[in-house]
Amino acid sequence: EPEVTQTPSHQVTQMGQEVILRCVPISNHLYFYWYRQILGQKVEFLVSFYNNEISEKSEIFDDQFSVERPDGSNFTLKIRSTKLEDSAMYFCASSGTGTGRQPQHFGDGTRLSIL
Amino acid sequence: LAKTTQPISMDSYEGQEVNITCSHNNIATNDYITWYQQFPSQGPRFIIQGYKTKVTNEVASLFIPADRKSSTLSLPRVSLSDTAVYYCLVGDRFSGGYNKLIFGAGTRLAVHP
Repeated sequence: EPEVTQTPSHQVTQMGQEVILRCVPISNHLYFYWYRQILGQKVEFLVSFYNNEISEKSEIFDDQFSVERPDGSNFTLKIRSTKLEDSAMYFCASSGTGTGRQPQHFGDGTRLSIL
Repeated sequence: LAKTTQPISMDSYEGQEVNITCSHNNIATNDYITWYQQFPSQGPRFIIQGYKTKVTNEVASLFIPADRKSSTLSLPRVSLSDTAVYYCLVGDRFSGGYNKLIFGAGTRLAVHP
């Protein structure tokens, strides 16, 4: 079964440094998403992306965050200047059409630890 | 987006059937009901989705009464590996292509030997 893959599985970064989290969505999917989950808390929506532009973003997704689809297979999340509170699991997801009828498929996440 | 309410935790034993009920009183006409499963340190995994009546796949069944104000995820003969958090989500199937998922706290299922 096709799956969403994320790299790295664990990223340790000094506060203030830039970090890029990478995702390879399922190949025929058109809609891409990032979510995060702080330890012990709920999964939170960050951003959705379609046709090379952001469709929707949450309040969490401020100017420090950006997303990009640099080629036909990768989807990245960049945090420009990391803060301690950015420590979390970051999940990438993709779906076929983006409507409620098409479920989102998640990767296993990148654990981001900010020191 | 319709709010959902589900039990915080449940306990079961291997081999038993587990039913997790989710309440969504304000569900809208276009809303679908979707259940996800999450193991520790893994991403949520899609289990099942439905609109009304009953849906069954190789993993679970989803029962939705006529008024659609609740739904029940049924896991037949659970094993230890079914210990996970289960999320009930309700969302518009015609959301313009921007189908963000709003997760609640979920139901933490613990299966005991």
